[in-house]
Amino acid sequence: QQKVQQSPESLSVPEGGMASLNCTSSDRNFQYFWWYRQHSGEGPKALMSIFSDGDKKEGRFTAHLNKASLHVSLHIRDSQPSDSALYFCAASPQSGSFNKLTFGAGTRLAVCP
Amino acid sequence: GALVYQYPRRTICKSGTSMRMECQAVGFQATSVAWYRQSPQKTFELIALSTVNSAIKYEQNFTQEKFPISHPNLSFSSMTVLNAYLEDRGLYLCGARDGANSNERLFFGHGTKLSVL
Repeated sequence: QQKVQQSPESLSVPEGGMASLNCTSSDRNFQYFWWYRQHSGEGPKALMSIFSDGDKKEGRFTAHLNKASLHVSLHIRDSQPSDSALYFCAASPQSGSFNKLTFGAGTRLAVCP
Repeated sequence: GALVYQYPRRTICKSGTSMRMECQAVGFQATSVAWYRQSPQKTFELIALSTVNSAIKYEQNFTQEKFPISHPNLSFSSMTVLNAYLEDRGLYLCGARDGANSNERLFFGHGTKLSVL
């Protein structure tokens, strides 16, 4: 079983809408989370990290972490067609533990004009 | 800004042959480099972690004998896939960490897509 699980597998939202992506870790050692985005033909690009309980907002993107349930979500407000991509949740066991960044299977987001 | 260039972008090799891919960090010091393989289904496997002046750490199911890595300085790393077979197909990604920045963000290149005939 994958240690980092994402849902849904795919998601379609209208332009201007809200996209919500979910991620859960089955390994309590994973306490630190990243969201990466990958456009077709490119490598993944880090969007934001979240290490503490609660919300973290960066522009149109808001991440939420619940350490007790090891659940992290990403919400994209006012979605744009350029947001259409694969979104990956990645987790590591501790801050500074560069050596164990584990990726989920990804959520494919389509933003329809 | 921080950029990572990988080349070649794609390569096709005959079964049993080897191919080398390179990773160049521009605009930052790549003290640590992680090599991943992304399957056609888009899942990631960590192959190995390389830190300048330290031993390279390979993950289970990946060996130095199969995937030798070189990380000679703070801007360059290379990996070779030896005796490539069908199961080695995928997108090989180099992710580099900026040693001067406490942020643990990995900067990835576009990847090298390996096809094996």
